[in-house]
Amino acid sequence: DAKTTQPPSMDCAEGRAANLPCNHSTISGNEYVYWYRQIHSQGPQYIIHGLKNNETNEMASLIITEDRKSSTLILPHATLRDTAVYYCIVTLPGNQFYFGTGTSLTVIP
Amino acid sequence: DAGVIQSPRHEVTEMGQEVTLRCKPISGHDYLFWYRQTMMRGLELLIYFNNNVPIDDSGMPEDRFSAKMPNASFSTLKIQPSEPRDSAVYFCASSSRGHETQYFGPGTRLLVL
Repeated sequence: DAKTTQPPSMDCAEGRAANLPCNHSTISGNEYVYWYRQIHSQGPQYIIHGLKNNETNEMASLIITEDRKSSTLILPHATLRDTAVYYCIVTLPGNQFYFGTGTSLTVIP
Repeated sequence: DAGVIQSPRHEVTEMGQEVTLRCKPISGHDYLFWYRQTMMRGLELLIYFNNNVPIDDSGMPEDRFSAKMPNASFSTLKIQPSEPRDSAVYFCASSSRGHETQYFGPGTRLLVL
């Protein structure tokens, strides 16, 4: 599985877009990019995933660069409840997830 | 649906005692995962089941740990005997699509004294 690199922490003002980057320069052609988040004292929560096209759902948007070596998770209007640790995971479908250390996002009032 | 249900939510026990953690997956999900989370090691997959059959238990730390899934709606993770280093949060997750889109329970916070 490709290794991912995420900044350990980020801040974002409430109401603004939160852009969380993830580098995965060794990603292979069939590996997907998955994003999960973990709010304090809760279990991880699935957000979104994609292969090479940009994806959007009710929670977030996922932008994957054309060379697929990096991606950005966008929370369009961050709220205080979005404060959490965000995990970027790159793996083949059906393979085990390695969650890593993620990015700790703090949304500031 | 109530989501993944885990019990107990908190467990404090003494070293050497047997600990049993319980999980009820989301109805209709045929994959069930057990994870352990600590500050030092992060979130680790211990074992997962598909259609009640253990598929990969390579993450189970040692023979003191065992997991069962007697039916589609119930699984247990047992530690016997427990040790202080087993203190962690244990999560159960279920899915209808393998490792993708896993739904996690609230976790069991285990403290072994």
